Amino acid sequence: DIQMTQSSSSLSASVGDRVTITCRASQTISSYVNWYQQKPGKAPKFLIYVASSLQSGVPSRFSGSGSGTDFTLTISSLQPEDSATYYCQQSYSSPYTFGQGTKLEI
Amino acid sequence: QVQLQESGPGLVKPSGTLSLTCVVSGGSISSSNWWSWVRQPPGKGLEWIGEIYHTGITSYNPSLKSRVTISVDKPKNQFSLKLASVTAADTAVYYCARLTTVVTKNWFDPWGQGTLVTVSS
Repeated sequence: DIQMTQSSSSLSASVGDRVTITCRASQTISSYVNWYQQKPGKAPKFLIYVASSLQSGVPSRFSGSGSGTDFTLTISSLQPEDSATYYCQQSYSSPYTFGQGTKLEI
Repeated sequence: QVQLQESGPGLVKPSGTLSLTCVVSGGSISSSNWWSWVRQPPGKGLEWIGEIYHTGITSYNPSLKSRVTISVDKPKNQFSLKLASVTAADTAVYYCARLTTVVTKNWFDPWGQGTLVTVSS
């Protein structure tokens, strides 16, 4: 199985800050990474696909980058509603696996 | 747009079988997508359980493969999960999700709202 490791389990930042969440795959996976946002008691919300493509309706302050084994999710100007847990997920091969999550507190 | 809704017992006894159904609305389960189950133990991360195509082809996570069965009911536009020989470690929120596929790229969207299943006597 491909292991996805998010370097931080939690982050604290302020409104207006620029925040980067990182994710590393245990083997090269091209750009087959997706990102999700999950708020307490809710299902994950799909944000970004194939590393850098923004899902329709997702605010443009969210962006993604990376290829190979290292990937990042960046929020350019934090808003209060961005407080959530963020997960990366590889779609390179089955079984699909997720990072352990990064909880972002604002 | 496509919406998914899970249903099933919220409490299952140890050694019993967990059974859940996911109804798909706003679209056909026979579209060119796979349909998945994902679970999340309380306070923990997400684990992919398995998936099914409308033709009945399945793929399971090897960590659960011996206990999992996913099936599809096309007339009812729904798919189901059975997990046998459950223990407390199977207590989780269970989500159904569509694995949206575009060429070779895929992602989980949309998701159901999730249903908590507790394994306890």
